[in-house]
Amino acid sequence: KNEVEQSPQNLTAQEGEFITINCSYSVGISALHWLQQHPGGGIVSLFMLSSGKKKHGRLIATINIQEKHSSLHITASHPRDSAVYICAATGNQFYFGTGTSLTVIP
Amino acid sequence: NAGVTQTPKFQVLKTGQSMTLQCAQDMNHNSMYWYRQDPGMGLRLIYYSASEGTTDKGEVPNGYNVSRLNKREFSLRLESAAPSQTSVYFCASSEAAQGSSPLHFGNGTRLTVT
Repeated sequence: KNEVEQSPQNLTAQEGEFITINCSYSVGISALHWLQQHPGGGIVSLFMLSSGKKKHGRLIATINIQEKHSSLHITASHPRDSAVYICAATGNQFYFGTGTSLTVIP
Repeated sequence: NAGVTQTPKFQVLKTGQSMTLQCAQDMNHNSMYWYRQDPGMGLRLIYYSASEGTTDKGEVPNGYNVSRLNKREFSLRLESAAPSQTSVYFCASSEAAQGSSPLHFGNGTRLTVT
C-alpha cells in the first residue's frame, strides 16, 4: 500500500514547456514536502506547505487538503531542471513517493 | 555552509563484513535520520533520532544499528553486511521532529555488498 502516489513516473519535455507533476496522498498530514534529487544523487528540499500555494522562482507548489492532492509546476522549463522530483507527506512520519523523473530537452 | 556531511561516498563490502556510515550536521538540528533508497521505491526510514540521546526504529531497521554520538553526529552501523543491504543511504537532519520542518540531506553513500 502506497500512502503517496506520484504521476507521471517519467516525463520528457522540451525546453520552455510548462510542467506539472502530481502527488496524491491517503494519510492525514501536517505538511507536504517537495524534494529535488539531482542526477548526481543529492537531495534538496524545495517546498514545505500545509495549505494554498508557494512560489520560488520558476517553481510553484500547490496543495488541496480536501482532495489530498498537491502539484508541482515548473514554468519555462530548462535542461537544468532535469532531476527526480519527490513528494513526501508528513503526519507523524514522512511518507515518500517514488519520484517523477523529469528530462528537459534543449 | 557544510550542512549535512556524510561519509564515505562509495563502499564495497563482502557479505559478513561490517562498516559504519558517518553523518554530521552543523545546523544545530535536533532530529536526524537514516534512509535507504532502492530503485522503484521511495526513501525508507531505517532509524531516526528525535533528539540527542534518543533513537527509534523506522520502517526497515533489521540489520542496522545507530548511535547518536552527540547533537551533531549520527552514525549507522552494519554489523554483518548482506547483499540485500546494497542500496544508496542518505543521512538527513531537521530542526524539529518528523515532518514539521524541512529535511536537509547528505550527498548519499552508495553501498554494494557482494
